[in-house]
Amino acid sequence: NAGVTQTPKFQVLKTGQSMTLQCAQDMNHNSMYWYRQDPGMGLRLIYYSASEGTTDKGEVPNGYNVSRLNKREFSLRLESAAPSQTSVYFCASMRGTGNQPQHFGDGTRLSIL
Amino acid sequence: AQRVTQPEKLLSVFKGAPVELKCNYSYSGSPELFWYVQYSRQRLQLLLRHISRESIKGFTADLNKGETSFHLKKPFAQEEDSAMYYCALVTGGGNKLTFGTGTQLKVEL
Repeated sequence: NAGVTQTPKFQVLKTGQSMTLQCAQDMNHNSMYWYRQDPGMGLRLIYYSASEGTTDKGEVPNGYNVSRLNKREFSLRLESAAPSQTSVYFCASMRGTGNQPQHFGDGTRLSIL
Repeated sequence: AQRVTQPEKLLSVFKGAPVELKCNYSYSGSPELFWYVQYSRQRLQLLLRHISRESIKGFTADLNKGETSFHLKKPFAQEEDSAMYYCALVTGGGNKLTFGTGTQLKVEL
């Protein structure tokens, strides 16, 4: 039981390149999330999917797109990477709503030159 | 506005000393709050949630609605407590978490 799996773990891109970060969970959770973690900023929500077939913007969605491919998988795409998107990206999933805990992946460290 | 404030970026204490990590929130409804912890080179994980009123690894947190606070406390810090701690508030009708900016706890020998 792997929980939440993110790929890749590390990536270096050049400005303007595109990239898709993959996330999969094996806990049959309904909700999935993408965050970015920056020093002094904490975790900020980029996009989330409260259920299969739905996606919604979070706090910092500009420059990103997402796809909830099925109940297990939720991908994050950078169409034209910018240095400001250099960050650590975390995917998370949650069974339901309210006071359920979110389960996090190991993160993807992304550098854009 | 829904907001979580963790005023300290870094908190340094000696082993055996008491620890208090501060968290204040702004929320119009009945709040649901969590503490998450991220140890070095590990994934973020749930530490405790206010609704459970539990003690995990010696840590407790009490919701104070009058002061809109959810401070994390431990009477005697251990070296293994060194980590980044995040306070989080349930928002978005229960679908989202709003995180604070985090406090790095360093326990010195």
